[in-house]
Amino acid sequence: QVQLQESGPGLVKPSQTLSLTCTVSGDSISSDGYCWSWIRQHPGKGLEWIGYICYSGATDYDPSLKSRVTISPDTSKNQFSLKLSSVTAADTAVYYCAKMAAAGQEPFDVWGQGTMVTVSS
Amino acid sequence: SYVLTQPPSVSVAPGETARMTCGGNNIGSKSVNWYQQKPGQAPVLVVYYNTDRPSGIPERFAGSNSGNTATLTISRVEGGDEADYYCQVWSRSSDHPYVFGPGTKVTVL
Repeated sequence: QVQLQESGPGLVKPSQTLSLTCTVSGDSISSDGYCWSWIRQHPGKGLEWIGYICYSGATDYDPSLKSRVTISPDTSKNQFSLKLSSVTAADTAVYYCAKMAAAGQEPFDVWGQGTMVTVSS
Repeated sequence: SYVLTQPPSVSVAPGETARMTCGGNNIGSKSVNWYQQKPGQAPVLVVYYNTDRPSGIPERFAGSNSGNTATLTISRVEGGDEADYYCQVWSRSSDHPYVFGPGTKVTVL
């Protein structure tokens, strides 16, 4: 079965770039049709989709974050990464990676355990 | 943007039925997914495509969707069902394509 694991710094300074990696096991990130998302959850709040990268290399980002977000693959390591630039305290959240069977109305059917990122000097 | 509404909380006694709604404009025309999130854990998909259950999710979890309201029903509620539940849709024409509801906290009395 597919498993996802997030990793990266738990503390990032304001104005810097947040960088996280999601390591996938049990399937290939290049598997036909799959898309791989990043989703975050502010402390005590609901869920917010950040963006995805699909098996084809196609990406899509939430318009509210699009100017600051890059999601990219590393097929040699079966990983995909999130970079969020110019962070502020408002970017403090738990960040999850999640799998989708395809873009569009497919659900987020497998999630990583999440990693807490705090933006503070 | 497309907005989903959920009641903040639902309380239910063990063995009873919990029903929680997810409201949205003509949500019946969309495919609704439901996620369960227990404290300190990642969300888990419990219902997708309005009514389908992933492997391993008990039949006690059932979804429906019509008009402006989608509903998640949990029958024969157990203590382990206490969690936050989020509905989610894909709204192609929205400025936020993947939308989550604010969540409903289910408390088992």
